[in-house]
Amino acid sequence: NAGVTQTPKFQVLKTGQSMTLQCAQDMNHNSMYWYRQDPGMGLRLIYYSASEGTTDKGEVPNGYNVSRLNKREFSLRLESAAPSQTSVYFCASEARLYEQYFGPGTRLTVT
Amino acid sequence: AQSVSQHNHHVILSEAASLELGCNYSYGGTVNLFWYVQYPGQHLQLLLKYFSGDPLVKGIKGFEAEFIKSKFSFNLRKPSVQWSDTAEYFCAVNVPNRGYQKVTFGTGTKLQVIP
Repeated sequence: NAGVTQTPKFQVLKTGQSMTLQCAQDMNHNSMYWYRQDPGMGLRLIYYSASEGTTDKGEVPNGYNVSRLNKREFSLRLESAAPSQTSVYFCASEARLYEQYFGPGTRLTVT
Repeated sequence: AQSVSQHNHHVILSEAASLELGCNYSYGGTVNLFWYVQYPGQHLQLLLKYFSGDPLVKGIKGFEAEFIKSKFSFNLRKPSVQWSDTAEYFCAVNVPNRGYQKVTFGTGTKLQVIP
């Protein structure tokens, strides 16, 4: 039982490049989330998916898109990376009663 | 929308000292409350949670938190910290049935325990 997995662990992009962050969970949870973590700002919600086939914007969605491919997978895409998107990205899935399980994170640097 | 405040950004303690980390939230109705911990280089893990009932909640590794509704607070405590408690601690609040951004996280408190 792997829980929540994320790939890649580290990535360096140049401004304007695109990439997709992958997330998968094997706990049969309906809800999944993408957060970014920046020093002094805690976790901020980018997008979430309450169930397969649905996605909604969170607090900081600009510059990102998401796909809920199936119940297990929820990917985050940066179409044209900017230095302001340098951050650590966490995917999470939600069990009953709003308890969230987090993946190991992706550390992204945009130069 | 609900918000969460963690006023201590960085706390330094010696081993065996007692710990109390503050957390205040800004919603007057029913809330669910959480503390998560992030050890260096790792992902967030649930430490404890409060939904209803006894306002004193016990979590893993000797941590506990007290929900005081009148003060909108959910402070985290541990009687005697260990070096291995060095981590960043996040308080989070959820307002049931509020739709988007179901869980709001505080900005975190970094705890450094000195041997």
